[in-house]
Amino acid sequence: DGGITQSPKYLFRKEGQNVTLSCEQNLNHDAMYWYRQDPGQGLRLIYYSQIVNDFQKGDIAEGYSVSREKKESFPLTVTSAQKNPTAFYLCASSTLQGGSGNTIYFGEGSWLTVV
Amino acid sequence: EDKVVQSPLSLVVHEGDTVTLNCSYEVTNFRSLLWYKQEKKAPTFLFMLTSSGIEKKSGRLSSILDKKELFSILNITATQTGDSAIYLCAVASNTGNQFYFGTGTSLTVIP
Repeated sequence: DGGITQSPKYLFRKEGQNVTLSCEQNLNHDAMYWYRQDPGQGLRLIYYSQIVNDFQKGDIAEGYSVSREKKESFPLTVTSAQKNPTAFYLCASSTLQGGSGNTIYFGEGSWLTVV
Repeated sequence: EDKVVQSPLSLVVHEGDTVTLNCSYEVTNFRSLLWYKQEKKAPTFLFMLTSSGIEKKSGRLSSILDKKELFSILNITATQTGDSAIYLCAVASNTGNQFYFGTGTSLTVIP
């Protein structure tokens, strides 16, 4: 079945460690996104990519890094520079077709807790 | 600055009540407005609206867009406890294929 797979679903990190969240999609979408959601809040954009080997910072990119070496994959690294990383992370994808025809699809999310 | 504002932030109602959730936006190069339902996991798609005045309906849920006044509403009639969730509004922009999300409305339906 087509979809977006995120892993791991739950992750605990010690302070000072980098962690990488995986995101893979088989929807043949060009655009991929990473959002962060804190309790009681909406989605905030961390990074997005519209094409392989290219990505742009979102509103809260500090302390995060991404890569887009393959169309299907858009991993997110939460670095030790991110001061408050405990949150729910959502990966998403969409087509780049023009007009009004596309929506954004989400993975199941990854819960990151710093201990 | 592009932004999407939802109101109210939270709402508690009794089963059977009707609720209206609001979403206003200021987004450059508007393409569409999307509603999602989120229940402790990934948001699930409800509606996509592109034209003013045309109601989209799915069961007890309906939504409409006003592109002149830059807002949308999501109505839920005869609410059930299973409607308890966060409802997210997003606006898609043709600029950079961006999606702008509101903070969501947290709906709690009590028996």
